[in-house]
Amino acid sequence: EAGVAQSPRYKIIEKRQSVAFWCNPISGHATLYWYQQILGQGPKLLIQFQNNGVVDDSQLPKDRFSAERLKGVDSTLKIQPAKLEDSAVYLCASSFRSWGNNEQFFGPGTRLTVL
Amino acid sequence: AQSVTQLDSQVPVFEEAPVELRCNYSSSVSVYLFWYVQYPNQGLQLLLKYLSGSTLVKGINGFEAEFNKSQTSFHLRKPSVHISDTAEYFCAVSGGSQGNLIFGKGTKLSVKP
Repeated sequence: EAGVAQSPRYKIIEKRQSVAFWCNPISGHATLYWYQQILGQGPKLLIQFQNNGVVDDSQLPKDRFSAERLKGVDSTLKIQPAKLEDSAVYLCASSFRSWGNNEQFFGPGTRLTVL
Repeated sequence: AQSVTQLDSQVPVFEEAPVELRCNYSSSVSVYLFWYVQYPNQGLQLLLKYLSGSTLVKGINGFEAEFNKSQTSFHLRKPSVHISDTAEYFCAVSGGSQGNLIFGKGTKLSVKP
């Protein structure tokens, strides 16, 4: 079974530029998550999708971050414009369902450096 | 609101020694508890999970954890560590209706020869 795929693996941009990350979840997983992991901290949920609908985006900085999952499969996360404090690893995860003992499977992450 | 506290940010240990990584949580609802491992430049991999039933949970790579409801703890243990166990370990709790995970800040386990 293929795992969660993410691209790119690494990205370096200057502040005020835009960047986009892509995620392809495990086939059949209805729930998709984007996490931000700042160096020295645990992952923090940015947004959760159930199929193509948003379940939780309470911690997404909506003035600069956006995410979509148009067909309920792949997802993109965009930052526009980027700030220095956005430097982090962005992890995508998927699970079969969104409640109860929903084991989440993580991709390798995208390491973003904002200069 | 739920929260997770990992009491040690770094744990150095010699190879073949036992190790315990500590995790405490707070929640007003019943919870599910997880331990994930993150090797350098990789995503998170599930080690083990507590859902219900027996409080002693066994996971992959010889790890186990014990759920203690009265102490709100879920400590991770391994009787004999290997160099390959060097990684960062995250404790997480899930209990909301939406099932999202709340992570601790992580514990870096460093196994020395």
